[in-house]
Amino acid sequence: GNSVTQMEGPVTLSEEAFLTINCTYTATGYPSLFWYVQYPGEGLQLLLKATKADDKGSNKGFEATYRKETTSFHLEKGSVQVSDSAVYFCALSNAGGTSYGKLTFGQGTILTVHP
Amino acid sequence: ETGVTQSPTHLIKTRGQQVTLRCSSQSGHNTVSWYQQALGQGPQFIFQYYREEENGRGNFPPRFSGLQFPNYSSELNVNALELDDSALYLCASSLGTGGRTDTQYFGPGTRLTVL
Repeated sequence: GNSVTQMEGPVTLSEEAFLTINCTYTATGYPSLFWYVQYPGEGLQLLLKATKADDKGSNKGFEATYRKETTSFHLEKGSVQVSDSAVYFCALSNAGGTSYGKLTFGQGTILTVHP
Repeated sequence: ETGVTQSPTHLIKTRGQQVTLRCSSQSGHNTVSWYQQALGQGPQFIFQYYREEENGRGNFPPRFSGLQFPNYSSELNVNALELDDSALYLCASSLGTGGRTDTQYFGPGTRLTVL
């Protein structure tokens, strides 16, 4: 079946530091990959997505590249801000069989950025 | 464009009771998916509705049931509540047939507490 594994958290950084959150996946075929962000007390917001190998998703300074050879979709940002403090979820969507486009999520990584 | 809305925001029930959660999809979207997010975990897929028909189901017992209406809004019903049902329930809408490239947009969630 499909699964997503994220790096263990929490991650604590100083403002303007470089961020990497690792994400690897297991899936048959060619899934689409997503990063969602959840701020305290809120639902999930789509941060970025990639639908095929070597695609790079980007938004608000965040980037992630779909690497099929390493089954990875690591999230990066060159300079984090305090306002980036949130929980980040990696997810995949697959089709065919019983997958019908449902999202399979990782366990989430808590990011805290200090001034 | 109106985003995904959910009601109520918070709900407290006792074990054995029944609950109905509601979701209005984003304008123009015909597919609604429901997820359960336990504290500190990633969301888990419950089921998906496309044009009023159930389009797939995750590993949840039959006491979790749903409906989608002609205007594409949706309800999640849970019977015989158990303590483990305490969670954030997230609704997501998308445009499509549940394909792997569909992007799901989430509402703010309903926090259910079962005592």
